[in-house]
Amino acid sequence: RKEVEQDPGPFNVPEGATVAFNCTYSNSASQSFFWYRQDCRKEPKLLMSVYSSGNEDGRFTAQLNRASQYISLLIRDSKLSDSATYLCVVNPPGSYQLTFGKGTKLSVIP
Amino acid sequence: DVKVTQSSRYLVKRTGEKVFLECVQDMDHENMFWYRQDPGLGLRLIYFSYDVKMKEKGDIPEGYSVSREKKERFSLILESASTNQTSMYLCASSRLQSSYNEQFFGPGTRLTVL
Repeated sequence: RKEVEQDPGPFNVPEGATVAFNCTYSNSASQSFFWYRQDCRKEPKLLMSVYSSGNEDGRFTAQLNRASQYISLLIRDSKLSDSATYLCVVNPPGSYQLTFGKGTKLSVIP
Repeated sequence: DVKVTQSSRYLVKRTGEKVFLECVQDMDHENMFWYRQDPGLGLRLIYFSYDVKMKEKGDIPEGYSVSREKKERFSLILESASTNQTSMYLCASSRLQSSYNEQFFGPGTRLTVL
């Protein structure tokens, strides 16, 4: 099983749609989880951290299911500016490193 | 705001040349990282450093070396560039291990080896 696995997409959705991405991770002892966003030809930037209780930031909701070892990101009311690649990221226990998924590409269409 | 800068946005080198990629961060972060990113392969860690003069191999260190003489600067060296090292190189930094240690990335260097 790959360490962090994501559906590569692309997801093509109309403006205003709700879209969800899922990600699975292999190390059950992982402690920290994130979603990063990467625009075309740009560097990745932190979108949000994912907490055990789930967390929301405006139109974005992240959830963690430790039992099933998956993380989700929900985007409501999609905007054209949401078009990007979304990277699922996991911090293995006792490590300085982050393990990145290969990303899911989202295109929001007018 | 954290700022991570990289010496070049685009670089073209010839096979066999020695290549230096420089990265500087201004937030006094202990950890620094070098990744390469290729289509379909995602981000792969080459080397990282958690302190001055300290370095650890990542997933794909072959053909690369690093140098960290000062806390704010982390250099990636390609001793003898090869065409399979054509890639986007990203530097990142973060604070020493904490529960949620966000990594901040530089803008990347797109290296082409001819």
